[in-house]
Amino acid sequence: DAGVTQSPTHLIKTRGQQVTLRCSPKSGHDTVSWYQQALGQGPQFIFQYYEEEERQRGNFPDRFSGHQFPNYSSELNVNALLLGDSALYLCASSRPDRTTDTQYFGPGTRLTVL
Amino acid sequence: AQSVSQHNHHVILSEAASLELGCNYSYGGTVNLFWYVQYPGQHLQLLLKYFSGDPLVKGIKGFEAEFIKSKFSFNLRKPSVQWSDTAEYFCAASGGYQKVTFGIGTKLQVIP
Repeated sequence: DAGVTQSPTHLIKTRGQQVTLRCSPKSGHDTVSWYQQALGQGPQFIFQYYEEEERQRGNFPDRFSGHQFPNYSSELNVNALLLGDSALYLCASSRPDRTTDTQYFGPGTRLTVL
Repeated sequence: AQSVSQHNHHVILSEAASLELGCNYSYGGTVNLFWYVQYPGQHLQLLLKYFSGDPLVKGIKGFEAEFIKSKFSFNLRKPSVQWSDTAEYFCAASGGYQKVTFGIGTKLQVIP
């Protein structure tokens, strides 16, 4: 049973560019959450997708957007990249038991903005 | 606002020493609590979790944590650490299916 997978592993972009990161959830999971982990910090919640809709959002600007597909996979898009967007972007998936859900994390995509 | 505080940002221990990492949370309503570990070069893995019931929770690799509601704490413990426990440990909290809020993390270095 494959766990959460993310692509690409690493990415280098320049300021002002746009980036798309991808995530496939663990089998049986229908909810995908995205987190940003800056160096020396804990993961910060960006948003969560369920049934192809954004269900909850953290304190991130509109430059951060996402999408969930019918097969539950998800994309994170970041527009107009800033140097401060350099971080490890984590995807986590969880299954439908809402009261006791545990999020399982992927290996992350390391984004470097130059 | 929801928050998770970890008191020790960097801990250095010798092998066989006992470990206790502090975690306090601020959350309204029902709270689920977690400890995640990130070994060097690996992704976040769940160590243990508390949803309800027995406040003493046992996880993988000999770790345990105690939920003390009156102190809003969920400290992680291990009686005897090994070199392979060198990693970064994150305390986290959520309110059901909602977002997970993480602490800043504690880097544990175990010296052989």
